[in-house]
Amino acid sequence: GESVGLHLPTLSVQEGDNSIINCAYSNSASDYFIWYKQESGKGPQFIIDIRSNMDKRQGQRVTVLLNKTVKHLSLQIAATQPGDSAVYFCAEIVNTGGFKTIFGAGTRLFVKA
Amino acid sequence: KAGVTQTPRYLIKTRGQQVTLSCSPISGHRSVSWYQQTPGQGLQFLFEYFSETQRNKGNFPGRFSGRQFSNSRSEMNVSTLELGDSALYLCASTPGGAPSNEKLFFGSGTQLSVL
Repeated sequence: GESVGLHLPTLSVQEGDNSIINCAYSNSASDYFIWYKQESGKGPQFIIDIRSNMDKRQGQRVTVLLNKTVKHLSLQIAATQPGDSAVYFCAEIVNTGGFKTIFGAGTRLFVKA
Repeated sequence: KAGVTQTPRYLIKTRGQQVTLSCSPISGHRSVSWYQQTPGQGLQFLFEYFSETQRNKGNFPGRFSGRQFSNSRSEMNVSTLELGDSALYLCASTPGGAPSNEKLFFGSGTQLSVL
């Protein structure tokens, strides 16, 4: 397979705190990156995206940072809520004779009330 | 708009059998991608169909196949099932016209258990 799927790291935060989830991507030629959230029993859902000509993008309570020099993405969630508890995946679209989305291993976020 | 619909939701099969999973994309979406999700390997790309043609495929054996119909609905088939095929199979759709920068819309998946 082509995804990096190893042990799933877990981040535990207190409700109301800020969360930061990190991700290393693989392809220096990728120019579109996406964060997805997967809740139990559901498929991944889009949260926020960023193109390679940007280094920061903000949404509602979420911010994505891109550092192309070290091939690193981060997702920041402000004022984390119990409903944010889920697995978060970073993803990149790569071109290997056709475009496809490749997912990182994922991080489980657990929010303590 | 209705979301991506996958059927069935759960399946139990035995080794050596074959299985067919179905996916109905969001109305107007012409691209359907399939992913396998397991705890050990994460989300792995199987293949993508656009306008009834396979446009891209991942590194899975030939036992895994798919097709897309003229209404964009897609099916994937796994023949000669192995225990290791137990996984959540996810389908995702996109409009398909700009594959370099489209976000995926996922269904809830089909949980396949091979005994």
